[in-house]
Amino acid sequence: RKEVEQDPGPFNVPEGATVAFNCTYSNSASQSFFWYRQDCRKEPKLLMSVYSSGNEDGRFTAQLNRASQYISLLIRDSKLSDSATYLCVDRRNTGNQFYFGTGTSLTVIP
Amino acid sequence: GAGVSQSPSNKVTEKGKDVELRCDPISGHTALYWYRQRLGQGLEFLIYFQGNSAPDKSGLPSDRFSAERTGESVSTLTIQRTQQEDSAVYLCASSLVQGWTEAFFGQGTRLTVV
Repeated sequence: RKEVEQDPGPFNVPEGATVAFNCTYSNSASQSFFWYRQDCRKEPKLLMSVYSSGNEDGRFTAQLNRASQYISLLIRDSKLSDSATYLCVDRRNTGNQFYFGTGTSLTVIP
Repeated sequence: GAGVSQSPSNKVTEKGKDVELRCDPISGHTALYWYRQRLGQGLEFLIYFQGNSAPDKSGLPSDRFSAERTGESVSTLTIQRTQQEDSAVYLCASSLVQGWTEAFFGQGTRLTVV
């Protein structure tokens, strides 16, 4: 089983739509998670951290479900500029390793 | 600059040649990571350095790949006798160890083996 698994998509949604991605992780002891965004031919950049209480940043909401071992990312009112690949990351507290999912591709259509 | 710096940004090399890629992490970041990303694929972990500890080399795909880091400074990734399947973007990232902070990536080195 992979450390972090994501649906690769692609997700093609119209402007203004709400879209949600889920990501499952294998290590029940993990406590630190992130969502990164990667634009075509660019490096990954942090989108947001995922706190156990959930967190929101504008149109973006990230949540953690420990019981089912998944994290989610919700994007409301999608913009064309949201088109990118979204990477789910598990940062292990032991060993200090970052485990990246393979990414979910989103295209927002005019 | 304050970010992770990688050089060269692009490298074209002939099959069989050796290449050396450089990564300059954010000052004060004791953890440094190398990843490989083939076109259209996810990030593939290569190697991890943390301070003066022995590096985690578990992701290196073959003995043609090696990496060094002196203390908490610059790291170099060396690929010997390059093959066409080595063509990829090589990404370096650094992070703090204390606290659950994120990794910061450099812009990568795009390696093309012809």
